[in-house]
Amino acid sequence: AQSVTQPDIHITVSEGASLELRCNYSYGATPYLFWYVQSPGQGLQLLLKYFSGDTLVQGIKGFEAEFKRSQSSFNLRKPSVHWSDAAEYFCAVVARPNFGNEKLTFGTGTRLTIIP
Amino acid sequence: NAGVTQTPKFRVLKTGQSMTLLCAQDMNHEYMYWYRQDPGMGLRLIHYSVGEGTTAKGEVPDGYNVSRLKKQNFLLGLESAAPSQTSVYFCASGPYEQYFGPGTRLTVT
Repeated sequence: AQSVTQPDIHITVSEGASLELRCNYSYGATPYLFWYVQSPGQGLQLLLKYFSGDTLVQGIKGFEAEFKRSQSSFNLRKPSVHWSDAAEYFCAVVARPNFGNEKLTFGTGTRLTIIP
Repeated sequence: NAGVTQTPKFRVLKTGQSMTLLCAQDMNHEYMYWYRQDPGMGLRLIHYSVGEGTTAKGEVPDGYNVSRLKKQNFLLGLESAAPSQTSVYFCASGPYEQYFGPGTRLTVT
């Protein structure tokens, strides 16, 4: 069964500093990969996705992620964080088209705190 | 274009009561999903649907039932609520790039 690991439960970063959130997946083939963000009391919003092609993908709000097949990783990065980036971040994977089995598996999330 | 909407936003139930959560999407998606979110556990899939008239069990289906009578609506029912069902419930539509509703916060006392 596919699984997603986000090893960092909570990360604290100073405003203006760079950020990297880790995500590792376990699956027999390269799945589709996603990062979502959830602000307090809100639903989840898609930040970016990887289906195929260029392994460095750009998303909204200045985020990017790099797919590394050899490491089964899909880490999220941002060069300079803003106070508004404080939220919970979820990595998710789904098997490539499997005619009815297209279910997302989520990591347990990383809570990001920004300090002035 | 409202995306995915959920009603109600909040609800408090007593143990043994029943209720239905409604999810609606206006993106013409075939796939719809119900998740629950609990602290430290991420999102767990309860039930999903791959098209009108179809439903399937997810990771944590016990105690819940669903129906997809219309393509745009996906209903989640709790027949006899238990305190363990206290959670935040999210609906999503997709299939791959899933769009989420704002959530329903349910407390069962």
